[in-house]
Amino acid sequence: GENVEQHPSTLSVQEGDSAVIKCTYSDSASNYFPWYKQELGKGPQLIIDIRSNVGEKKDQRIAVTLNKTAKHFSLHITETQPEDSAVYFCAASNRGSARQLTFGSGTQLTVLP
Amino acid sequence: GAGVSQSPSNKVTEKGKDVELRCDPISGHTALYWYRQSLGQGLEFLIYFQGNSAPDKSGLPSDRFSAERTGGSVSTLTIQRTQQEDSAVYLCASSQGGNHEQYFGPGTRLTVT
Repeated sequence: GENVEQHPSTLSVQEGDSAVIKCTYSDSASNYFPWYKQELGKGPQLIIDIRSNVGEKKDQRIAVTLNKTAKHFSLHITETQPEDSAVYFCAASNRGSARQLTFGSGTQLTVLP
Repeated sequence: GAGVSQSPSNKVTEKGKDVELRCDPISGHTALYWYRQSLGQGLEFLIYFQGNSAPDKSGLPSDRFSAERTGGSVSTLTIQRTQQEDSAVYLCASSQGGNHEQYFGPGTRLTVT
């Protein structure tokens, strides 16, 4: 089955700096890669996703890159703000068969004012 | 519009008791998923429902866990003879079919004493 590894587990940045979170996956058939933000006491919220037919996707301050050959993808947050502080999860799935997402272990991002 | 809702938000039960957790998916979403999140961990897939198809139960950890989805909408996750290791947050998600983004509810925090 799929295995997703995520790092770092914790990340602290100064407000205004950029943050990068990286994930690797094992199943070359995986073709959908979402990122979720989870605030304390809440369910995960989808913030951006990418499919395997593109290499990069951007939405305002958030971007995701995908390297299919190396089987890794990354989340980039620019101009970080204190409200970006949360736990971020990457995930992968193969929509051709199983529909469930396999999640990474999460990154606790802290943006220091 | 209304998102995914789950009840109860918190449940404390004694070891050996049975519990039922409820999920109301987004209206019109045909796919429904259950995940488990242990403290400080990523999300672990449990079960997936899609329309009238047989559910994908491949993630259920033991035969004490079961789930049903009535009328293609509300779902109930049942844990029989609860154990302390069942303590976790149980998250439900729904999507428009199995090939679309998953939207999560706030979760039910289960504590087994």
